[in-house]
Amino acid sequence: GQNIDQPTEMTATEGAIVQINCTYQTSGFNGLFWYQQHAGEAPTFLSYNVLDGLEEKGRFSSFLSRSKGYSYLLLKELQMKDSASYLCAVRDPPTDSWGKFQFGAGTQVVVTP
Amino acid sequence: DGGITQSPKYLFRKEGQNVTLSCEQNLNHDAMYWYRQDPGQGLRLIYYSQIVNDFQKGDIAEGYSVSREKKESFPLTVTSAQKNPTAFYLCASSIEEGDKQYFGPGTRLTVT
Repeated sequence: GQNIDQPTEMTATEGAIVQINCTYQTSGFNGLFWYQQHAGEAPTFLSYNVLDGLEEKGRFSSFLSRSKGYSYLLLKELQMKDSASYLCAVRDPPTDSWGKFQFGAGTQVVVTP
Repeated sequence: DGGITQSPKYLFRKEGQNVTLSCEQNLNHDAMYWYRQDPGQGLRLIYYSQIVNDFQKGDIAEGYSVSREKKESFPLTVTSAQKNPTAFYLCASSIEEGDKQYFGPGTRLTVT
C-alpha cells in the first residue's frame, strides 16, 4: 500500500507562485498523478509523472523524485480560479494486470486578491 | 460531448434503506471505478471493473454492491449494511486499467 502526505491548506496571492508538496511511502510505484478538484465538483486530471524530473504544462508543472518519494505541483501566475483542492495520487504497480491508485487527502489552495 | 454522468447530484435516504447511485459513461472506456470522499480524507476505492460482467472489491467494499452489465454503466448500491453511508460518491472511468481517470460530477448522499 501507499502512505501519501500533502499539506492541508496553502494560501497565496493572485499572480504569485505556489508549490504543493506530496511525499509518499510505497511498497511499489508506477506513476504519480495530480488532479484539481473545485468544491463539490469532480477531480480533473492535471499532470502525470512516472520518471524523475519536471513536466511542464502551461502555468502548471509537476516534479518527481522517485528516490526521495517526493513530488511537487507548481502553480505559476496564480488566478482566482485556481482556488481548489489539489490531489496527489500514486499508482500501484500492476498486479494481475491491475494498477490501483492511492489518493492523498488533498491540499486546499486559497488564492487571495 | 463525451463524458461521465452521475445522478442524482443530491440524494437523501432514511437509515435502513438501500439506495442505488447511477454512473454512465459514453467515452467507450473499459475500466470504471467507484470512490468515496469524506472530509479530510483521500478518495477511497469501493469497487472497480475492468470489463463488462467483471468487477473487484476495492479497499472499502463492505456494505456496497455493484454490477457491470453494460460497458457504459456501473451502478453502485449502498446497502443498509454500510455503517456510515453519508459521503460524496465519485464514479470514474479510464481507457484501460491504471490509466488517468475521468471523473463524474459526483453524488452527495445523506442518510439520516
